Amino acid sequence: DAGITQSPRHKVTETGTPVTLRCHQTENHRYMYWYRQDPGHGLRLIHYSYGVKDTDKGEVSDGYSVSRSKTEDFLLTLESATSSQTSVYFCAISLGTGSSYEQYFGPGTRLTVT
Amino acid sequence: AQTVTQSQPEMSVQEAETVTLSCTYDTSENNYYLFWYKQPPSRQMILVIRQEAYKQQNATENRFSVNFQKAAKSFSLKISDSQLGDTAMYFCAFMSFTNAGKSTFGDGTTLTVKP
Repeated sequence: DAGITQSPRHKVTETGTPVTLRCHQTENHRYMYWYRQDPGHGLRLIHYSYGVKDTDKGEVSDGYSVSRSKTEDFLLTLESATSSQTSVYFCAISLGTGSSYEQYFGPGTRLTVT
Repeated sequence: AQTVTQSQPEMSVQEAETVTLSCTYDTSENNYYLFWYKQPPSRQMILVIRQEAYKQQNATENRFSVNFQKAAKSFSLKISDSQLGDTAMYFCAFMSFTNAGKSTFGDGTTLTVKP
């Protein structure tokens, strides 16, 4: 299994509070991704990173920010959580090139915003 | 922007039989990657099979094979000799060849294998 961990694994928070989710990899993969998974919507890309301090938006980036100060860590921040951000969040990594471009996923974080 | 469509929200199959899951996509790119991922009740996403668009030969991995029709933009997954452990949600996914950040998933097909 790819070395990807997510923390916390479960979190309940109140509307309006800031929340930060952490993704940590030990594979030295260039690309890192944050997705959210909601019933009926599959996985939707929030943000991705293609290197340290290099990030870009995905299709559902509103209300989210990210940071990558080290190759191994990719943080997702909800500045002011809303109930619509209740979801399961997945981190993924990819070499993004050569013979190994597929994504490997972390175990997910279940976030509930009350 | 690319889109991925899985038209079968739910499917079922008898154990030991064969089932095919459908996936269509839309893109203006000529080179790209396609994947099928499996998500069992444990929620862990598992890569099942991958296909490079520049390869004409269909990918196979043991009991799993794809039918890749580039002109039709179709990428179906065939599961042979279905097993109870194949019960899961299956996602079709697209990744750009030139930018691995451009990644799109379909909404998934829930497959139930019946004993």
